[in-house]
Amino acid sequence: AQSVTQLGSHVSVSEGALVLLRCNYSSSVPPYLFWYVQYPNQGLQLLLKYTSAATLVKGINGFEAEFKKSETSFHLTKPSAHMSDAAEYFCAVRYTGFQKLVFGTGTRLLVSP
Amino acid sequence: NAGVTQTPKFQVLKTGQSMTLQCAQDMNHNSMYWYRQDPGMGLRLIYYSASEGTTDKGEVPNGYNVSRLNKREFSLRLESAAPSQTSVYFCASSKGEEGGSYNEQFFGPGTRLTVL
Repeated sequence: AQSVTQLGSHVSVSEGALVLLRCNYSSSVPPYLFWYVQYPNQGLQLLLKYTSAATLVKGINGFEAEFKKSETSFHLTKPSAHMSDAAEYFCAVRYTGFQKLVFGTGTRLLVSP
Repeated sequence: NAGVTQTPKFQVLKTGQSMTLQCAQDMNHNSMYWYRQDPGMGLRLIYYSASEGTTDKGEVPNGYNVSRLNKREFSLRLESAAPSQTSVYFCASSKGEEGGSYNEQFFGPGTRLTVL
């Protein structure tokens, strides 16, 4: 079955530290990849999406993600965490031929001072 | 431009009661979606409407019905609410096929539903 896996339901970092949130998809054919962020009591907001123009994708708020076909991964990173980055992050995948998105189970990012 | 709006924001029901969650978008999008979000399970698709006049089941459709009233509005109905339907419900919209494969979904603020 088509799926997307996010390793780690919670990730804790200190302010200023590197953020790394992992996402792996299950397909030999590269799907269409998205990262969304959800702040407390809000809906989901698009952070970035992979469009095949470049393997390194830059998004809002200083986040970026790198598409690695050999690893079937699309990990999200940010060089320096800020307190305002505390939120839940979802990786989502649209597989070729389908209009629907498949979401990962989410990773809650905790940022400590 | 309000994007995707949902009403109500909060609702408490008793087991067996019915209710309709409303969703509207003002982006002229073709496709609309209903998800539920439960802790540790991410977002799961309940129903979607690829275009006006069509609806299809998603991953967890049991206990729900939908109506695509027009291009703007997509409602979700619980005919006989059960405690297992306690969740946060999100509506989303996208350009659909017209937007190509990379078009993203835009989400509403959600409805928090508790079934006692």
